[in-house]
Amino acid sequence: KQEVTQIPAALSVPEGENLVLNCSFTDSAIYNLQWFRQDPGKGLTSLLLIQSSQREQTSGRLNASLDKSSGRSTLYIAASQPGDSATYLCAVTPGSQGNLIFGKGTKLSVKP
Amino acid sequence: SAVISQKPSRDICQRGTSLTIQCQVDSQVTMMFWYRQQPGQSLTLIATANQGSEATYESGFVIDKFPISRPNLTFSTLTVSNMSPEDSSIYLCSGERGGTDTQYFGPGTRLTVL
Repeated sequence: KQEVTQIPAALSVPEGENLVLNCSFTDSAIYNLQWFRQDPGKGLTSLLLIQSSQREQTSGRLNASLDKSSGRSTLYIAASQPGDSATYLCAVTPGSQGNLIFGKGTKLSVKP
Repeated sequence: SAVISQKPSRDICQRGTSLTIQCQVDSQVTMMFWYRQQPGQSLTLIATANQGSEATYESGFVIDKFPISRPNLTFSTLTVSNMSPEDSSIYLCSGERGGTDTQYFGPGTRLTVL
């Protein structure tokens, strides 16, 4: 059974710092991996999608990497801002059918 | 990106009653899903909503408790039946457009059962 783990559960950093969020999964047979951001009352926003054949994806200050063989992904946030404060969720698609298996998330707080 | 809306955004219900949550997508999607997020927990898939046929439920979820309809490509409902306090959660619907692999999520419905 696929399990997704995110470390740390919570993180507090001063504004401007670069930071890394970690995600691990137990079964390397995934179709893709997605990073989401969850804001209270606003649902989830997809940040980056990495296909199983890819190693990384970048969007602005965000960079996500994928090492499928070791079952790990990282989300790198450069020059963090208070507006980055949210819960970040990692999710894998175990097959091509589209359902996602989520980790519990990392709650990020960026202090001004 | 697809925009997904849900109604209601939140509700407080009495034990033993039922609540129907509506999900509307503003563009055609091939797949729709319903998830539950219990307090302090990750999102868990309840079922895949299939257009015009019975939903496909994950282990631990049954149709009698969580009946789902999807009469067309852009609309789906989830009913939480005979509610108990353990059903207090955030319920989210999501949609995926064919060929994109990206899932778009609604804002969620925060349900509290007293």
